[in-house]
Amino acid sequence: QVQLVESGGGVVQPGRSLRLSCAASGFIFSNYVMHWVRQAPGKGLEWVALISSDGSDKYYADSVKGRFTISRDNSKYTLYLQMNSLRSEDTAFYYCLRDGEPGSGSYFLHWGQGTLVTVSS
Amino acid sequence: AIQLTQSPSSLSASVGDSVTITCRASQDISSALAWYQQKPGKAPKLLIYDASSLESGVPSRFSGGGSGTDYTLTINSLQPEDFATYYCQQFYIYVSFGGGTKVEIK
Repeated sequence: QVQLVESGGGVVQPGRSLRLSCAASGFIFSNYVMHWVRQAPGKGLEWVALISSDGSDKYYADSVKGRFTISRDNSKYTLYLQMNSLRSEDTAFYYCLRDGEPGSGSYFLHWGQGTLVTVSS
Repeated sequence: AIQLTQSPSSLSASVGDSVTITCRASQDISSALAWYQQKPGKAPKLLIYDASSLESGVPSRFSGGGSGTDYTLTINSLQPEDFATYYCQQFYIYVSFGGGTKVEIK
């Protein structure tokens, strides 16, 4: 079955960096677009970034553009999110998500437990 | 970016009631819309995709409709386990989410 396991969250000071990882299993990772979505505690869902199946195309929310970088290693079945110049408003649970089946849309059936990033001095 | 506006932001209802949540997009999204249910401390759960297709295993009391810019999620005969927060999400151009609707017990 599809599993997505996020890791790398923690407490970090404003302005510092953090890298999140997502280990995928149960499907052919290199066939799917992947996304990061976040949710601040007690708040709504916010899409962060997506990366094409081969890693050649990347798109970002305006709120993270220029600070965050999404990447993937298809040989390791792993998705990454490099977060630089972190701000307090980046505090959130971060979820790694798989696109729908090829030919369908970007809706999210499989959710991991998320990893909490807390930006605080 | 496509903005999604959900209404109401919260509602109170009783077990057995029917409720409808609305999601309005800032442009035509051609039914590229999904609905999720989220309970406290849990990840969201996919209910509906392509505006009206029920995800496998989701009870038939949940239904989705709409087209163009206006979409609805209807829950018929609310059950105790349906009290939660609901989000719409468009995938017509990249991805964006509505602000959420909290369904509370009256």
